[in-house]
Amino acid sequence: EVQLVESGGGLVQPGRSLKLSCAASGFTFSNYYMAWVRQAPKKGLEWVATISTSGSRTYYPDSVKGRFTISRDNAKSSLYLQMNSLKSEDTATYYCARHKGGYYSYFDYWGQGVMVTVSS
Amino acid sequence: IQLTQSPSLLSASVGDRVTLSCKGSQNINNYLAWYQQKLGEAPKLLIYNTNSLQTGIPSRFSGSGSGTDYTLTISSLQPEDVATYFCYQYNNGLTFGSGTKLEIK
Repeated sequence: EVQLVESGGGLVQPGRSLKLSCAASGFTFSNYYMAWVRQAPKKGLEWVATISTSGSRTYYPDSVKGRFTISRDNAKSSLYLQMNSLKSEDTATYYCARHKGGYYSYFDYWGQGVMVTVSS
Repeated sequence: IQLTQSPSLLSASVGDRVTLSCKGSQNINNYLAWYQQKLGEAPKLLIYNTNSLQTGIPSRFSGSGSGTDYTLTISSLQPEDVATYFCYQYNNGLTFGSGTKLEIK
């Protein structure tokens, strides 16, 4: 059974940093592109970052480019999101998700999400 | 590509045939998926590549469309279908629609 379990969320002040983790199990992690998707309270979904199988390619929307860094450790079947210079608009539930194919593909499995609140 | 979903809120009766719309600002080339999100839960994949049903999803769910216009249909609405439904395109960038909230009348 595919499982994705996020951790590392919490309350953080504007301008500070936070690192999220996602532990994957039930599939060969190194064979899949992985992503982070977020959802602000009572809002829709926004793709945040994608990483290739080896970690050599990463993709971001303009809203987080230069502030967020996605990475992975295939030996540990783990995905990470380093978030720097956090803003109030980064407040959201962050989901770890598995791409079905490469970057241009849908997400077939999602974690339960972890809440990040950016506030002073 | 921006996605516009309509309506934003839909109220229907159990057993009704329900149709949700998703319109792209450009041609999506059938690279469109639909997700169901129940309150407090993660999104669940229903449909991919416009009309392919994800494993384990009831056959009352179906997808159709082409070009810029796509539709999710529930053939006979069930109480457990109460949720928000999001469309998602992966043809040019990765973007989600704003969602349609489906309620039981």
